[in-house]
Amino acid sequence: QVQLQESGPGLVKPSETLSLTCSVSGGSISGHYWSWIRQPPGKGLDWIGYIFHSGSTNYNPSLKSRVTISVDTSKNQLSLKLSSVTAADSAVYFCARGGFSALDYWGQGTLVTVSS
Amino acid sequence: DIQMTQSPSSLSASVGDRVTIICRASQSIGDYLNWYQQKPGEAPKLLIFGASNLQSGVPPRFSGSGSGTDFTLTISSLQPEDFATYCCQQTYSTPLTFGGGTKVEMK
Repeated sequence: QVQLQESGPGLVKPSETLSLTCSVSGGSISGHYWSWIRQPPGKGLDWIGYIFHSGSTNYNPSLKSRVTISVDTSKNQLSLKLSSVTAADSAVYFCARGGFSALDYWGQGTLVTVSS
Repeated sequence: DIQMTQSPSSLSASVGDRVTIICRASQSIGDYLNWYQQKPGEAPKLLIFGASNLQSGVPPRFSGSGSGTDFTLTISSLQPEDFATYCCQQTYSTPLTFGGGTKVEMK
């Protein structure tokens, strides 16, 4: 059973960079697309972007200038970096398996609050 | 961007009821439509992919239909564990977008 686990700071200061890691267990990161999605409190889901195990990426244009998604196949992990954060970036961040297809496995999500 | 609009935004139903949720795309997306169930404090769970394909392990009381711009998620007989929020997602083109969600509440 594939399991995903997000980790990273729960509090980030405005203008700083949000950094999260998603550890994948029970399966290989190779051969799959992997996505990051976020959900502001009480709101709907927003797609951030996805990456293939080879490193090719596709980002939401609304975040493209600030977001970097990377993958470390040796550690079976993917990472998210979002720069110059504001309060509007406060959300639960999820990683999931899938890209331009359905997202079939999800992490439980991690809440990130942007506040000084 | 393709906008996904769900209706209703919420509904009240009883155990055993047949429930139908609609998702409309702002342009044709073929059958590139997925449905998810989300409970409070949990990650979304994939129910239906490709508009009508039941994800492994999902009870057959869930079904999906539609193509183009209009899609439907149906729960044939609502069970206690089905009270949750349901959302659709298009994977026809990037940016991938989700519907705003439909909250199914107990009547």
